[in-house]
Amino acid sequence: GAVVSQHPSWVICKSGTSVKIECRSLDFQATTMFWYRQFPKQSLMLMATSNEGSKATYEQGVEKDKFLINHASLTLSTLTVTSAHPEDSSFYICSASAGEYNSPLHFGNGTRLTVT
Amino acid sequence: GQQVMQIPQYQHVQEGEDFTTYCNSSTTLSNIQWYKQRPGGHPVFLIQLVKSGEVKKQKRLTFQFGEAKKNSSLHITATQTTDVGTYFCAGPRVTGGGNKLTFGTGTQLKVEL
Repeated sequence: GAVVSQHPSWVICKSGTSVKIECRSLDFQATTMFWYRQFPKQSLMLMATSNEGSKATYEQGVEKDKFLINHASLTLSTLTVTSAHPEDSSFYICSASAGEYNSPLHFGNGTRLTVT
Repeated sequence: GQQVMQIPQYQHVQEGEDFTTYCNSSTTLSNIQWYKQRPGGHPVFLIQLVKSGEVKKQKRLTFQFGEAKKNSSLHITATQTTDVGTYFCAGPRVTGGGNKLTFGTGTQLKVEL
């Protein structure tokens, strides 16, 4: 149980275009999902918390107008990287918790974004 | 701000050797979680420790939570090639609440035959 699906697994786009990444909880409802970013050989950095039915909360230094998050249902959150630039190239991973406070996170497979 | 550091950053071992990664938090943690990320993959939850001084075992893996609840360790006995990956500890964020986690810097393990 507690499966999180993320799509696409990888995407290559040109500078200036926008890319949408979907994160779905397949067998549980997630009122909260988290979006992380990971550079090669580095740790996971929390970008934002996606809240179902309300605005996402962004970490300090993360541009909310650049990384648009929508959490329209209890099983789907989307991250849109707008006007992508090469420096946005990274591994983006979503996660969700199926349980109570402090319960473990279940991660999607991640999306490797390359902006050319 | 809250920092979670891990040492070593990298570790190469021969198959059959033991491996240990250490996790240190700048703040006291209510619990500590460990995740494993295989090369090219996503983090997978391994275990959660809650009590001060707690020790848990999963086959060849032994996890320990420090008495002060600011440090933790993961020890693997007789490593195998399937143990390859990066091991992250993670603790609840001091501010912000919810299930937000601060991940450690990670230890990358390579196992050679």
